[in-house]
Amino acid sequence: ELKVEQNPLFLSMQEGKNYTIYCNYSTTSDRLYWYRQDPGKSLESLFVLLSNGAVKQEGRLMASLDTKARLSTLHITAAVHDLSATYFCAVVRALNSGYALNFGKGTSLLVTP
Amino acid sequence: IAGITQAPTSQILAAGRRMTLRCTQDMRHNAMYWYRQDLGLGLRLIHYSNTAGTTGKGEVPDGYSVSRANTDDFPLTLASAVPSQTSVYFCASTPGGVNTEAFFGQGTRLTVV
Repeated sequence: ELKVEQNPLFLSMQEGKNYTIYCNYSTTSDRLYWYRQDPGKSLESLFVLLSNGAVKQEGRLMASLDTKARLSTLHITAAVHDLSATYFCAVVRALNSGYALNFGKGTSLLVTP
Repeated sequence: IAGITQAPTSQILAAGRRMTLRCTQDMRHNAMYWYRQDLGLGLRLIHYSNTAGTTGKGEVPDGYSVSRANTDDFPLTLASAVPSQTSVYFCASTPGGVNTEAFFGQGTRLTVV
C-alpha cells in the first residue's frame, strides 16, 4: 500500500522567513505533484515533477524530487502572506489498467506579519 | 465552460436519503475520479473510471456507487446517506495513460444529518 506522509502538518511562519515542507512516500514512483488549496476552494496544481532530480520553481516556491530517497520538498523563500494555504503532495499509484493519485494529509501554512 | 463542473456546491441531506452528486468535464479526459476530503485525513479515493464504460473501487468505496455512461459525466450516488458521509467531495479528471496530472472540480460540501 502506498503511503504518503507530509510534515509538518501545520506551519506558522513569519513573513520573510524560509522554510521547507517534506513529502515522503513508501513505494517506488517517478512522478509527484504539489497542489495548493485555499480555504473553501478547490485544489490548484502547482508543480509536476516527472523524474529523479527534477526541480521546478515558481515565484517564492521551489519543489524538488529525489526518487531514490522517495522524498520531495517544497521550499518557501521569503514567505509572504499570500502563500497562506494548504499544500498537498500527491504520488502516482497504479490501478487496474490506470493510475490515481495518493495524497498526503496536507500542510496548513499560515504566514504572519 | 472549461474544466470540471460539480453540482450541487453544497447540500444538507437527511440520513437514509438517496443523493447523486454530479460531475461533468469538457476536457475530453479519459480518466475521472471521486475523492472525499476530511479534516486531518487529506483526500481519499472513493471510485475511479479509466475510460467510459469502466469503473473501479478506490480506498473508501463503501456506501457509494458510480457510473460512466460517457466520457464527460461521472455521477456519484449515495444510496442511503449516513452521517459519516458528511464531507467535501471532489471530482477530478486526468487525460489518462501516462499523463496523470489531475484537474479538480470546485467541490460539493455535503452534510448528512
